[in-house]
Amino acid sequence: EIVLTQSPGTLSLSPGERVTLSCRASQSVSSSNLAWYQQKPGQAPRLLIYGASSRATGIPDRFSGSGSGTDFTLTIGRLEPEDFAVYYCQQFGSSTGTFGQGTKVEIK
Amino acid sequence: QLQLQESGPGLVKPSETLSLTCTVSSGSISRGSYYWGWIRQPPGKGLEWIGIIDYYGSTFYSPSLKSRVTMSIDTSKKQISLNLSSVTAAETAVYYCARLRYNWNDRAFDVWGRGTTVTVSS
Repeated sequence: EIVLTQSPGTLSLSPGERVTLSCRASQSVSSSNLAWYQQKPGQAPRLLIYGASSRATGIPDRFSGSGSGTDFTLTIGRLEPEDFAVYYCQQFGSSTGTFGQGTKVEIK
Repeated sequence: QLQLQESGPGLVKPSETLSLTCTVSSGSISRGSYYWGWIRQPPGKGLEWIGIIDYYGSTFYSPSLKSRVTMSIDTSKKQISLNLSSVTAAETAVYYCARLRYNWNDRAFDVWGRGTTVTVSS
């Protein structure tokens, strides 16, 4: 089973700042199998990025994904107030999937 | 727009079987290139993949839960079911149903239900 490790665990930032979140896999993951989600308190997760770098429908272009192999990144160009949330990476490969433990982006 | 709604008992006793249903509305359950999945989230913790099923009934379960999980699909009722046996208090969580897109460049949960809270307690 592939383990995804996200870092950092928590980020304290101000609106307008640029954010870079990391997701590292214990073994190589196909880019097509890597996705990012945003989750706000009391809500279901929302798909942000699929295929490592493609934005889901309706996702603002300040969100971008990149990476390959074992290292993937989610970048938020300029933090908006509605972006403070928990972010998860997820992979699906070898007929099963796993999630990272999440990175919380909180208001400084 | 496709919607998913989880339902089932909110309270299950330890060692018993947790049974949930996900009902699909405003869309097809039988289209190819999709799986239907269950994901759970204990209070204050992260997301855990439970398993997925396609409309043929082919299943893929988390290795850590495989011995206790059964998923099924009823295309006529547009429902996906989850059974998890021998539950413990540690499996108290919000259980989500979600649709997994499955294409050559895309394997992601694009539609989620609102989740249902299940408490395991005597």
